[in-house]
Amino acid sequence: EVQLLESGGGLVQPGGSLRLSCAASGFTFGNYAIHWVRQAPGKGLEWVSGLNGGGYLTNYADSVKGRFTISSDNSKNTLYLHMNSLRAEDTAIYYCAKAARYQDLEFDFWGQGTLVTVSS
Amino acid sequence: DIQMTQSPSSLSASVGDRVTITCRASQTINSYLNWYQQKPGKAPNLLIYATSNLQSGVPSRFSGSGSGTDFTLTIINLQPEDFATYYCQQSYSTPPTFGGGTKVEIK
Repeated sequence: EVQLLESGGGLVQPGGSLRLSCAASGFTFGNYAIHWVRQAPGKGLEWVSGLNGGGYLTNYADSVKGRFTISSDNSKNTLYLHMNSLRAEDTAIYYCAKAARYQDLEFDFWGQGTLVTVSS
Repeated sequence: DIQMTQSPSSLSASVGDRVTITCRASQTINSYLNWYQQKPGKAPNLLIYATSNLQSGVPSRFSGSGSGTDFTLTIINLQPEDFATYYCQQSYSTPPTFGGGTKVEIK
C-alpha cells in the first residue's frame, strides 16, 4: 500500500525558513517522479515543485523559484522541501504527491498534508 | 503556462441527479487531463486520468470525455459521498496547472 507522510509544518515568521519532509513507502521511491502541491486556506490547488524519478531533474513554480529547493534521500525514501525567505502568501497546506508510472505530471497518490503558516 | 478554466465554480444537486462539470485549457493538451475529488479536510484523490480512464476503485458513475482544449466530468446517479470539490488538471506540460475547482453541494 502506497503511503506518503508529510511532516515539518508549523508557524514561522516572514523571512524565516522551514524544511518539510515526506516519508514514502509501498513503492520503489526512486522509480517515480514526486511533487509538492499546496493549497492556501479556502483556495485551490497550486503545484509547487517536482523531482523526476531519477532524482536529478527539478522544477519549480515561478512563485517559489529561488526560495524553495526540492531534494530527496533515496536511502530513506524521503522527499524534502527546503523553504527560505517565507512570505505570508506561502501559507498553505503542503501535500506530497506521487506521480503515476510513465506520467510524471499525473498525481496518483497524495499524502495527508502539513500546514505551513507564515505570520508574525 | 497553460491556464485551466472550470465551470461552474459551484453547483447544487440532489441525490440521484446527473452532474456535468466542464474544464477548458488555454491551449491544446491532447488527452493529458486529469480529474481529482477533494472532500473537506482531506487530500485530493485521483478520479480520472488521461481524460477518460477511471482510477482503480472509482465507481463507474463517474466518466470523463473530451480532447484538445475542452473536457467534461460527468457523474450520473449522484450519491451522498460524491458531494465534494472537483479539480481538473493538465499533465501535458510543466508547470502542471489546476482548474479553480467546482464545489458540488447538496440541494
